[in-house]
Amino acid sequence: GNSVTQMEGPVTLSEEAFLTINCTYTATGYPSLFWYVQYPGEGLQLLLKATKADDKGSNKGFEATYRKETTSFHLEKGSVQVSDSAVYFCALSDPRTGNQFYFGTGTSLTVIP
Amino acid sequence: KAGVTQTPRYLIKTRGQQVTLSCSPISGHRSVSWYQQTPGQGLQFLFEYFSETQRNKGNFPGRFSGRQFSNSRSEMNVSTLELGDSALYLCASSLGPGISYNEQFFGPGTRLTVL
Repeated sequence: GNSVTQMEGPVTLSEEAFLTINCTYTATGYPSLFWYVQYPGEGLQLLLKATKADDKGSNKGFEATYRKETTSFHLEKGSVQVSDSAVYFCALSDPRTGNQFYFGTGTSLTVIP
Repeated sequence: KAGVTQTPRYLIKTRGQQVTLSCSPISGHRSVSWYQQTPGQGLQFLFEYFSETQRNKGNFPGRFSGRQFSNSRSEMNVSTLELGDSALYLCASSLGPGISYNEQFFGPGTRLTVL
């Protein structure tokens, strides 16, 4: 079946530190991979996505590369800001078999000045 | 372009009651999915509708149901509420199934509290 395993949190970093949030997946087909971010009291916002192996998604300084050989989609940012404090969710969907998204458990990030 | 809207934003009910939540997708989007978010279980898929038909259903009891109207608006209903149904219910819309169209846009959610 399809599933996503995400790095446990919470993660606390100082401003300008390097961020990595690990995400690995299990899929029966050829999934698309996503990172969503949720700010307090809000719904999920798409941060970036990749639809095939070796694709790199990027947005707002965040990057993630779809690695089929390691079934991973780790999120990275070179220099975090206080405004990046949020919960980050890794997700996959296999649009060939349906539109259902499978989410990781979420990783809470707090950036301190 | 207006985003996904969900009403109401907050709801308080008592055990045994039933509740209906509403979701209006982004204009032009025909697929609506519903998720339940709780601290213990995370984000769990409830069901997906496309062109007024349920395409996928998650592992929830029959008390949870939904429907989609011809204008793509969707409602979900929970009957005989239990304390464990307290959660944030998120609606997501997308253009439809298919590789190029499956990016989902989420609404702000409806916070349901069951007392």
